[in-house]
Amino acid sequence: AQKITQTQPGMFVQEKEAVTLDCTYDTSDQSYGLFWYKQPSSGEMIFLIYQGSYDEQNATEGRYSLNFQKARKSANLVISASQLGDSAMYFCAMRGRKAAGNKLTFGGGTRVLVKP
Amino acid sequence: DTEVTQTPKHLVMGMTNKKSLKCEQHMGHRAMYWYKQKAKKPPELMFVYSYEKLSINESVPSRFSPECPNSSLLNLHLHALQPEDSALYLCASSQGTGGTEAFFGQGTRLTVV
Repeated sequence: AQKITQTQPGMFVQEKEAVTLDCTYDTSDQSYGLFWYKQPSSGEMIFLIYQGSYDEQNATEGRYSLNFQKARKSANLVISASQLGDSAMYFCAMRGRKAAGNKLTFGGGTRVLVKP
Repeated sequence: DTEVTQTPKHLVMGMTNKKSLKCEQHMGHRAMYWYKQKAKKPPELMFVYSYEKLSINESVPSRFSPECPNSSLLNLHLHALQPEDSALYLCASSQGTGGTEAFFGQGTRLTVV
């Protein structure tokens, strides 16, 4: 089985500052993918960034970067220069290959509120 | 174009009604998914279709019936639902069922009265 844990249910961040969202995972798969999604109040799940378990470099996409520490089984999301539009729910997710039947499993989410 | 389109956006139905949710993607993705999301909870997987065949059914009650008419379309047929089935229903697609990212639609907010 695979499990994703996000320990921060909610957090405030000042506009233009950076914020780190925590994500730890557990899986018996050797090959897996880690994802972050943003869900605004409208409901759409917006894909942000992907990290493969064999990728040696940390993934980056614009203001988003993923701090991947394989030995610690953590995949934290860093949002730099926060904007008001970043206020949303953020989900960490993982897809295993074999043990989990290729299912995309989500953590409980972290609600981020950016203050002006 | 990374777009998954879901219709309708909102749906209110009675417990004796039959309705369908629709999902469409034109990215050439061969895997499509239905998720159910209750308020303040993460999405929960319901069904996975791979190459138009049902590959995963997460023990979903039979009042939910998925259908994949072709590689671009995914339907979820609803019948005799209960009020606790009220939720946001999300459709997603991915290139395959391996480690590739899944793209989600905007969801259908379903209320069962």
